[in-house]
Amino acid sequence: EVQMLESGGGLVQPGGSLRLSCAASGFTFSSYGMSWVRQAPGKGLEWVSAINVNGGVTYYADSVKGRFTISRDNSKNTLYLQMNSLRAEDTALYYCAKVLLPSRVLPGFFDYWGQGTLVTVSS
Amino acid sequence: QSALTQPASVSGSPGQSVTISCTGTSSDVGGYNYVSWYQQNPGKAPKLMIYDVSQRPSGVSNRFSGSKSVNTASLTISGLQAEDEADYYCCSYASSSTVIFGGGTKLTVL
Repeated sequence: EVQMLESGGGLVQPGGSLRLSCAASGFTFSSYGMSWVRQAPGKGLEWVSAINVNGGVTYYADSVKGRFTISRDNSKNTLYLQMNSLRAEDTALYYCAKVLLPSRVLPGFFDYWGQGTLVTVSS
Repeated sequence: QSALTQPASVSGSPGQSVTISCTGTSSDVGGYNYVSWYQQNPGKAPKLMIYDVSQRPSGVSNRFSGSKSVNTASLTISGLQAEDEADYYCCSYASSSTVIFGGGTKLTVL
């Protein structure tokens, strides 16, 4: 059974940093691209970032480019999101998501999602 | 980039068909056959329903179908059931190697 468990969320002040983790199991993690998608409270989905199978290629939404860094450790079956210079508008539930097809990091087909970890940016 | 445009809400009676539209531009929906649709129930993670405009992942009912014309993609749900009541989001690949979601549509089964 495919499972993804996010962690690392919490309350942080504006300008602060957080590192999210996503522990994956039930599939060959090193064979699939991964992504982060967020959802502000009561709002819609927003794609944040994606990474290819070996971590050598990364993609970011303009809203987080230069502040967030996606990475992965295939030996630990874990996806990460380092978030710096956090803003109030980054407040959201952050989901990690598995890419549907092994050969296609983008265009954004996500077949398994975690339950999310909540990030709140507030003073 | 702005979110893709979806109606805020649609509704239908059991057994009917409903269609949810998703309008973008030539830089996203119109430029690529990379549209997907997600169903989200309250408090739950999204579920992939359609990818590559019209492909259904394994396990998704054939009552769900997708299409695209120029800059507008559509999700049609036929034989509407109470369990279909949820929020639906379209999603498209966009230029500059990004992904963009629609604002979401709340489907109410009357």
